[in-house]
Amino acid sequence: GQNIDQPTEMTATEGAIVQINCTYQTSGFNGLFWYQQHAGEAPTFLSYNVLDGLEEKGRFSSFLSRSKGYSYLLLKELQMKDSASYLCAVKKAGTALIFGKGTTLSVSS
Amino acid sequence: DARVTQTPRHKVTEMGQEVTMRCQPILGHNTVFWYRQTMMQGLELLAYFRNRAPLDDSGMPKDRFSAEMPDATLATLKIQPSEPRDSAVYFCASGLPPGQGGNTEAFFGQGTRLTVV
Repeated sequence: GQNIDQPTEMTATEGAIVQINCTYQTSGFNGLFWYQQHAGEAPTFLSYNVLDGLEEKGRFSSFLSRSKGYSYLLLKELQMKDSASYLCAVKKAGTALIFGKGTTLSVSS
Repeated sequence: DARVTQTPRHKVTEMGQEVTMRCQPILGHNTVFWYRQTMMQGLELLAYFRNRAPLDDSGMPKDRFSAEMPDATLATLKIQPSEPRDSAVYFCASGLPPGQGGNTEAFFGQGTRLTVV
């Protein structure tokens, strides 16, 4: 099976930087995804890492260390609209994405 | 604007009734997923199809749930009989696997919010 752990909740203020961690245990690893989900809406894709290192996309960056089974999502210059759940998901070869339970981020002014 | 379309968006039904949820994947996507989301369990994979063939439905209670793809433009998820514990949001997603132009793996529909009373 796959164990995917991420904090349940985090809080931050506008303009700040926040890092959401995700650890996983799986065999046949084939990539790690981050999705954003606003309340009452569908998850939407944010980032994908399959090799070690940092992928940057605007205010959002994602890091992966395969040897440590560890990833993080870094959100810079936080805005109120970034308040949402952030879902870490692991892909094994030949199977569908398996999701963690998500981290609910609350951004206050 | 390509998107995954799910119907109905909301469904309230009585325990014991049959429920059918429908999904139209993005045109050209050959991989379809059904997920269920609850507060307690998060997003759980129920079933996974590629080229209309089921690849993994191990997450689905077989005695009451069934998933099919009658054609490439329609996926269905049925619950019969429904129970209160089935109350959840059911998401359909579609994608293309890596090597066929895919990367993001899953584009999600807006979900069907099911309430069984």
